[in-house]
Amino acid sequence: GAVVSQHPSRVICKSGTSVKIECRSLDFQATTMFWYRQFPKKSLMLMATSNEGSKATYEQGVEKDKFLINHASLTLSTLTVTSAHPEDSSFYICSARAGGGAGGFKNIQYFGAGTRLSVL
Amino acid sequence: AQKITQTQPGMFVQEKEAVTLDCTYDTSDPSYGLFWYKQPSSGEMIFLIYQGSYDQQNATEGRYSLNFQKARKSANLVISASQLGDSAMYFCAMRGGEDTGGFKTIFGAGTRLFVKA
Repeated sequence: GAVVSQHPSRVICKSGTSVKIECRSLDFQATTMFWYRQFPKKSLMLMATSNEGSKATYEQGVEKDKFLINHASLTLSTLTVTSAHPEDSSFYICSARAGGGAGGFKNIQYFGAGTRLSVL
Repeated sequence: AQKITQTQPGMFVQEKEAVTLDCTYDTSDPSYGLFWYKQPSSGEMIFLIYQGSYDQQNATEGRYSLNFQKARKSANLVISASQLGDSAMYFCAMRGGEDTGGFKTIFGAGTRLFVKA
């Protein structure tokens, strides 16, 4: 299956610093990438959807200025947690999908391995 | 609005036996796709199986099969011949059309499966 690489897998940072997480599709072009947040023993919560070359669409309640998303190319999207605080500590997972959305329900979403962020 | 419900927070199964993980969904969109993902303790989400709303036959992928009952809006995952490596969290997911979320995928709460030796 397709491979999505997410880096770093784990990061520990001090409160107030910014953290960048990278998501790369290694063997396909991802027209759409998704960023999820997962709390312990909870389901995935969609944070934002990004399409290459355009601004990300954020879900209700997600702060755009806190979670900056850049989808600069068809194979790379980045999530930057700005001025991180302890409440931002979580497991962040990116996902990439090839092809268009219209009628393409079988376009499978492939996931990265996730990034565990701990803010001290 | 779209909704995915997984009512089993945890399930136990004996090794080599079959197990069914329940999933019900709700959507007003006539076209949608249903997915199952496995999340082991490492955290990575692994795609298992897909079912389209217009597919006439139930999807199968190796030991995984999807019991799709459209009228009941259920999409249960059946794992045959369970293996110890199947112990993980399993998520049911749905992606609807533009009318119900703009092709976004939503996930159920998940079911943790424990396979006993």
